[in-house]
Amino acid sequence: EVQLVESGGGLVHPGGSLRLSCGASGFTFSDYAMGWVRQAPGKGLEWISAIRGSGGSVNYADSVKGRFTISRDNSKNTLYLQMNSLRVEDTALYYCTKVRGTVSPNDWGQGTLVTVSS
Amino acid sequence: QSALTQPASVSGSPGQSIAISCTGTTSDVGGYNYVSWYQQHPGKAPKLIIYDVSNRPSGVSNRFSGSKSGNTASLTISGLQAEDEADYYCSSYKSDTTEVFGTGTKVTVL
Repeated sequence: EVQLVESGGGLVHPGGSLRLSCGASGFTFSDYAMGWVRQAPGKGLEWISAIRGSGGSVNYADSVKGRFTISRDNSKNTLYLQMNSLRVEDTALYYCTKVRGTVSPNDWGQGTLVTVSS
Repeated sequence: QSALTQPASVSGSPGQSIAISCTGTTSDVGGYNYVSWYQQHPGKAPKLIIYDVSNRPSGVSNRFSGSKSGNTASLTISGLQAEDEADYYCSSYKSDTTEVFGTGTKVTVL
């Protein structure tokens, strides 16, 4: 059974940084692309980023490009999202996803909440 | 990145069939057979119910079906049940190697 467990969320001031982690189990982590999707409170889903199994190819939504960095450690079965220059509008529940193909979410974690506020 | 367009809400009585549309462009829905649909109950993570336009993951009820015509994809729920009341989102692969979600549709079972 695929399990994805996010951590690292919290309260941060505008302009600050935060690193999210996602521990994966139940599948061969390095064989799959992984990604992040977020959902602002009471709002819809927004695709954020994806990274190939090898880590050699990454993609970002325009809204986070240049501020967020996705990475992975296949030896630890862990996915990361480094978030810099955070804005109030980055406040959301961040979901870790196991990807089908190159970018499409297939399995989802339960999410970790990031709140950006002064 | 503009979201795909979905109706804000759709409703139906138990046993009825409803359809949810998802309209994009030739750069996403119309250009690829990589449309997915997700069901999200309140306070829960989304769950994949349709992938690659019309395929159901193992364990998903066959009451859910997907199709596509041109730039518009559709999700049909047949034999509507109380447990189907949830938010539904479509998504599509895009030409710039990203993914775009729909605006979301709230399904109400009357």
